[in-house]
Amino acid sequence: GAVVSQHPSRVICKSGTSVKIECRSLDFQATTMFWYRQFPKQSLMLMATSNEGSKATYEQGVEKDKFLINHASLTLSTLTVTSAHPEDSSFYICSAPRGGRAMTDTQYFGPGTRLTVL
Amino acid sequence: AQKITQTQPGMFVQEKEAVTLDCTYDTSDPSYGLFWYKQPSSGEMIFLIYQGSYDQQNATEGRYSLNFQKARKSANLVISASQLGDSAMYFCAMREGRNTGGFKTIFGAGTRLFVKA
Repeated sequence: GAVVSQHPSRVICKSGTSVKIECRSLDFQATTMFWYRQFPKQSLMLMATSNEGSKATYEQGVEKDKFLINHASLTLSTLTVTSAHPEDSSFYICSAPRGGRAMTDTQYFGPGTRLTVL
Repeated sequence: AQKITQTQPGMFVQEKEAVTLDCTYDTSDPSYGLFWYKQPSSGEMIFLIYQGSYDQQNATEGRYSLNFQKARKSANLVISASQLGDSAMYFCAMREGRNTGGFKTIFGAGTRLFVKA
């Protein structure tokens, strides 16, 4: 079946540094990918929609300069947390719908990246 | 405004019994899809079942069935014959048809299910 991978699975960094998280669709092309963040014991909150060949669409309240998204190819989207601070510590999950536009397209999730900012 | 509501933060069920996890939603879009996902402690999101707004019959997938009541805007998940491995977080989610962002999916707060031996 389709697989979406994320790298790294876990990262610990110092406050003020930038962290890049990769999301790859391994056996299908994804013109659209989604980035979510999940705080402990909470739900997934959509951060942004990553669009191949165009700018990402950010949800209300998400700082686009803080969370840089680049959809470099049809199989790769990256999320860069710039100047990370402890409050950015969270579980970041990407997803990609296979097909992209149909309501029934199965949305495949990556395994998530746990970011801890010291 | 919150569009997906899961009112049960935690649920307990005895092994081999059935359990219903509640989900209500709100949308003005006549075309939408409803999903249930399972998230074990590992963090991965596992797709369980899908119900389209125009589907006439309730969706079923093995031990999972979706009790879709369109007029009440509810989409409850029923797990039959619960197993210990069903202990996890369960999320109800919705995708609206008019959204032009590739059908982004929004999630409810989740329900943690505990299956007792």
